Amino acid sequence: DGGITQSPKYLFRKEGQNVTLSCEQNLNHDAMYWYRQDPGQGLRLIYYSQIVNDFQKGDIAEGYSVSREKKESFPLTVTSAQKNPTAFYLCASSRRGASTDTQYFGPGTRLTVL
Amino acid sequence: AQTVTQSQPEMSVQEAETVTLSCTYDTSESDYYLFWYKQPPSRQMILVIRQEAYKQQNATENRFSVNFQKAAKSFSLKISDSQLGDAAMYFCAYRTETSGSRLTFGEGTQLTVNP
Repeated sequence: DGGITQSPKYLFRKEGQNVTLSCEQNLNHDAMYWYRQDPGQGLRLIYYSQIVNDFQKGDIAEGYSVSREKKESFPLTVTSAQKNPTAFYLCASSRRGASTDTQYFGPGTRLTVL
Repeated sequence: AQTVTQSQPEMSVQEAETVTLSCTYDTSESDYYLFWYKQPPSRQMILVIRQEAYKQQNATENRFSVNFQKAAKSFSLKISDSQLGDAAMYFCAYRTETSGSRLTFGEGTQLTVNP
């Protein structure tokens, strides 16, 4: 089946640790995105990538890093520099990065800092 | 700054009735695309409907339709014949030509469907 997978579904991290969230898609989409969702709020863009080996910062990139070595994969690392990482993280993809393209979302990862 | 406002944090509707969720946005651009996404308790974001700003005709998808008023920068979602499965958080969002990949979201409206 075509779609976007994220793993793990739930992730717990101790203070000071880096963690990496996985996002994979088999839709042959060029563009991929990471969003953060806090309770009672909409989604905010962290990073996005329109092509392999290239990515751009979104609105809240501080404390996060990404890589895009393969078209299918766009992992997000939450570093110890992120002051308040507890949130729900959503990955999305679109055919290209054009404004006409619809973004499709994965099921999300819930990150909790202990 | 470009913003999206959903003025109704919570709404409720009786099963089989019709409900309208409000959304206003602020952009100086003339070309943009508007979206309604649904987020059920599973937290998965699901596209409900999209509207191209250059189209005057309102988009429809089965029981879902929009009322797009470009001059007023308003983009409301109407759900007809509401079903229990419609209960979810609904987000309004848009993208502009200059923002490219950037989707700007509202804060959402929690819809409850009463049996």
